[in-house]
Amino acid sequence: DTGVSQDPRHKITKRGQNVTFRCDPISEHNRLYWYRQTLGQGPEFLTYFQNEAQLEKSRLLSDRFSAERPKGSFSTLEIQRTEQGDSAMYLCASSWTGDEQYFGPGTRLTVT
Amino acid sequence: GENVEQHPSTLSVQEGDSAVIKCTYSDSASNYFPWYKQELGKRPQLIIDIRSNVGEKKDQRIAVTLNKTAKHFSLHITETQPEDSAVYFCAASDKKAAGNKLTFGGGTRVLVKP
Repeated sequence: DTGVSQDPRHKITKRGQNVTFRCDPISEHNRLYWYRQTLGQGPEFLTYFQNEAQLEKSRLLSDRFSAERPKGSFSTLEIQRTEQGDSAMYLCASSWTGDEQYFGPGTRLTVT
Repeated sequence: GENVEQHPSTLSVQEGDSAVIKCTYSDSASNYFPWYKQELGKRPQLIIDIRSNVGEKKDQRIAVTLNKTAKHFSLHITETQPEDSAVYFCAASDKKAAGNKLTFGGGTRVLVKP
């Protein structure tokens, strides 16, 4: 499968714990995006990388959230001190042109 | 920033009929408008897109139209089939932001009744 992959697919954690998600983009894509989707809503932009540089962050991305793309390939999204409001589907997308973005299957986070 | 509104939120059609979903956007600088289909529990899938230098684009049973003056765009699905049942999202790309981040509408749940 040469599409965008994400790991894990599901994560259940207790409030206050830290979690980390991984995204592997389509191999030749230099642009990588993180979005968050809550039930019944469209995805909301969180952050964007071009190669290893994080070029934009949404106001939704509080200081408990951090993302990295150290070698310009895979990316990680970490949430510290999780809260129940963090429960959502975290989607990663990649692109070569910046227009056509291809999504991964997402990581569903449940904070209990 | 960009704001995208999508209507209707739910749409029920008889198999073989047409379905139309409409979106409006607020930022006149946006110039890329994709449509995604998301089946239950699956990833959003890009099904068609249009750029602002084009007024209409068609791909088999789906078509998208864009009215830049009115800042609205629409998805048309003809000869609907049960496998068209899904949630459809429109989006607009904010060109002023780095990387063409997408702003999505709230989604339309389409149910095609056999």
